[in-house]
Amino acid sequence: DAGVIQSPRHEVTEMGQEVTLRCKPISGHDYLFWYRQTMMRGLELLIYFNNNVPIDDSGMPEDRFSAKMPNASFSTLKIQPSEPRDSAVYFCASSLDGGLSYEQYFGPGTRLTVT
Amino acid sequence: AQTVTQSQPEMSVQEAETVTLSCTYDTSENNYYLFWYKQPPSRQMILVIRQEAYKQQNATENRFSVNFQKAAKSFSLKISDSQLGDTAMYFCAFMRITTSGTYKYIFGTGTRLKVLA
Repeated sequence: DAGVIQSPRHEVTEMGQEVTLRCKPISGHDYLFWYRQTMMRGLELLIYFNNNVPIDDSGMPEDRFSAKMPNASFSTLKIQPSEPRDSAVYFCASSLDGGLSYEQYFGPGTRLTVT
Repeated sequence: AQTVTQSQPEMSVQEAETVTLSCTYDTSENNYYLFWYKQPPSRQMILVIRQEAYKQQNATENRFSVNFQKAAKSFSLKISDSQLGDTAMYFCAFMRITTSGTYKYIFGTGTRLKVLA
């Protein structure tokens, strides 16, 4: 398996623009997580899905952030409008329920810079 | 609310030596899981080791082992025979399953470890 795939790897955009980050989880995994990593706040869980259904979005910072999972193999995190303080590395991770490990498999991340 | 604290922002160790990274957490739960994740400069986060709270025996994975002190809510990571490839940011993480079946993951702020040649 190719692992969790994220695109783009780097994104530079101007304040006010819409940004869409994409994630393809590992095939067969039924949990998908979105994280944001910054120097100031560390790694924060934004939202996670189980079987394509959002379960906990309490970490989503504002209404400018939205996430969708239209099917088991694809998820998006959208920021509209983007602001400079949204600059961070955004990680997607997937996990397989039913096992005993609860291990999360992370993607390589998307580095977002909002100018 | 649960919290995870890593009090050592940065550490360094000589190659082949042993180093211990500390992690403490706060919870009122009895059943939970603890993890150490490694994030090398490439940014890819990978699991190093995990511990189930109901297990008294400390987990080990080759050169990596933990010292799990449940009463003290401490979960330190020991890296033996440090290698240059161990240079990375290490995150301690806590996970519990709520009564409604949702997962709660909390990560610490990380410890940046540098292995010196």
